Amino acid sequence: EAGVAQSPRYKIIEKRQSVAFWCNPISGHATLYWYQQILGQGPKLLIQFQNNGVVDDSQLPKDRFSAERLKGVDSTLKIQPAKLEDSAVYLCASSLDPAAGPFFGQGTRLTVV
Amino acid sequence: DQQVKQNSPSLSVQEGRISILNCDYTNSMFDYFLWYKKYPAEGPTFLISISSIKDKNEDGRFTVFLNKSAKHLSLHIVPSQPGDSAVYFCAGISSGSARQLTFGSGTQLTVLP
Repeated sequence: EAGVAQSPRYKIIEKRQSVAFWCNPISGHATLYWYQQILGQGPKLLIQFQNNGVVDDSQLPKDRFSAERLKGVDSTLKIQPAKLEDSAVYLCASSLDPAAGPFFGQGTRLTVV
Repeated sequence: DQQVKQNSPSLSVQEGRISILNCDYTNSMFDYFLWYKKYPAEGPTFLISISSIKDKNEDGRFTVFLNKSAKHLSLHIVPSQPGDSAVYFCAGISSGSARQLTFGSGTQLTVLP
């Protein structure tokens, strides 16, 4: 079974630039999550989708972050404009059953300089 | 507001001995708890879970204990192996339709040969 795919693996941008991350979840997984993990901290939920609908985006900084899930499968997370404090690993995860542990991708490490 | 707390940022254990990782929570609405393991440059991988109606769950060398009255859970690894060296995250899943997954800050386990 293929895992959660994310791209790119690494990205370096200057502050005020924009960036987009892509995620392809495990086939058939209805729930998709985007997490932000800052160095030394645990992953923090940014947004959770159920199929192509948003279940929770309460911690998403909506003035600069946006996310969509195309046709309930792939998802993109965008930051525009980026700030220095957005430097983190962005993790995508998916699950078949929200009560079970989601499967995570390898993440995208973003560095904003 | 840290709903899940891992107060020990690091733990070192000798190979073959027991590793005990601790986690405290404040949210009474969690109905499942999970432990994830994370190696550098990889996404977290699911390790073991426990329902809030249980007090123990065992899977091979890994056992999770839940003390609901103390709002405390622990992960025991016996015997510890060098390959267990990783960051361990505790997480809670809240009841309700959203089923949010909230992580602690992690504990770096180092198993010394």
